Amino acid sequence: DIQMTQSPSSLSASVGDRVTITCRASQSITSYLNWYQQKPGKAPKLLIYAASSLQSGAPSRFSGSGSGTDFTLTINSLQPEDFATYYCQQSFNTPRTFGPGTKVDVK
Amino acid sequence: EVQLVESGGGLVKPGGSLRLSCAASGFTFSTYSMNWVRQAPGMGLEWVSSISSSSSYIYYADSVKGRFTISRDNAKNSLYLQMSSLRAEDTAVYYCARPLSGYDNMDVWGKGTTVTVSS
Repeated sequence: DIQMTQSPSSLSASVGDRVTITCRASQSITSYLNWYQQKPGKAPKLLIYAASSLQSGAPSRFSGSGSGTDFTLTINSLQPEDFATYYCQQSFNTPRTFGPGTKVDVK
Repeated sequence: EVQLVESGGGLVKPGGSLRLSCAASGFTFSTYSMNWVRQAPGMGLEWVSSISSSSSYIYYADSVKGRFTISRDNAKNSLYLQMSSLRAEDTAVYYCARPLSGYDNMDVWGKGTTVTVSS
């Protein structure tokens, strides 16, 4: 199975900050990497798919990059509604696996 | 409106069974594969199972293989998860989710249904 790791596990930031979250796969997944945002008590929301494609409706301040084993989610100019937990997920093969999540909270 | 609505969750004793349903609307259900994803209390997301549009391809997480069965009824626009031999560690919110493309990027999610396994 492909293992996904994320760093950091949590971070504190302020509105307007640039935030970077890293996701690493235990083997190459080419660009089969998706990013989700989840708020407490809510279902996850797709932000980025295929490593760098912005999902329709997702704000343009979110961007993704990377390929192979190393990926990054960047939030430019953090907004109040962005405080949430972010998960990466590989869709290269089954079982699909999610990273453990990165919680972004208020500094 | 594209929508997924899960139902069937509840409290069940260890070793018991439960059948979850997911009703789809607002899109051509029969043309999409579907996934079940769960989240234990305070924990991260765990992919559980997926089924192709025609039920030809079915996959399970090792943690549920042999105990859970995914199925679908395209005529009823419905997805199911039959869960048996339930364990305390199966306690979670169960979401059904629609992958948009070959990247299995799940763009539509239900609100989830809660399964609690406890004596």
